[in-house]
Amino acid sequence: QKEVEQNSGPLSVPEGAIASLNCTYSDRGSQSFFWYRQYSGKSPELIMFIYSNGDKEDGRFTAQLNKASQYVSLLIRDSQPSDSATYLCAVSDNDMRFGAGTRLTVKP
Amino acid sequence: GAGVSQSPRYKVAKRGQDVALRCDPISGHVSLFWYQQALGQGPEFLTYFQNEAQLDKSGLPSDRFFAERPEGSVSTLKIQRTQQEDSAVYLCASSLVGSYEQYFGPGTRLTVT
Repeated sequence: QKEVEQNSGPLSVPEGAIASLNCTYSDRGSQSFFWYRQYSGKSPELIMFIYSNGDKEDGRFTAQLNKASQYVSLLIRDSQPSDSATYLCAVSDNDMRFGAGTRLTVKP
Repeated sequence: GAGVSQSPRYKVAKRGQDVALRCDPISGHVSLFWYQQALGQGPEFLTYFQNEAQLDKSGLPSDRFFAERPEGSVSTLKIQRTQQEDSAVYLCASSLVGSYEQYFGPGTRLTVT
């Protein structure tokens, strides 16, 4: 079982819709959780991090963490075509462990 | 300010050749990480430095892989006797001490023929 699991997608949503990206992790002791966005051929860029159970909002992005269920998600409201990218979930205790990413396409 | 830089951006090596990949972290970033990203996969951790000390090298796939950061700034990842399975993008990231927020460089795409 991989340490960090994501649905590879592709996930396709129309412009203006909410995109929901999900991630589960196996190490119950993990403390820190991150969402990175990676455009094709580019390096990952950090968009959100969350440490505590519950929701964390930043602009159009909301990260949700449920440690009991070992589940973290990212919601993107009012999705734009420029949001089309691969979204990587990462979990860190000492080392950073990444999922394989979910490819999101936002259609105009 | 300047971000993380890596060189070369692209490297083609014949199987069996040695390669050296360079990373210049953000100034003042004590922590430096190397990752390997295969096509369609997320980055896989290779090794971690805090200043010049290599604190974790558990992700290095074989003894052909070697990393150093002798003065606590620039780091070099060396791969000896390259194999086709080494073909990947090698990413370097840096962060402030005590911070989990890593900033990635553009990567070096290594192709072994």
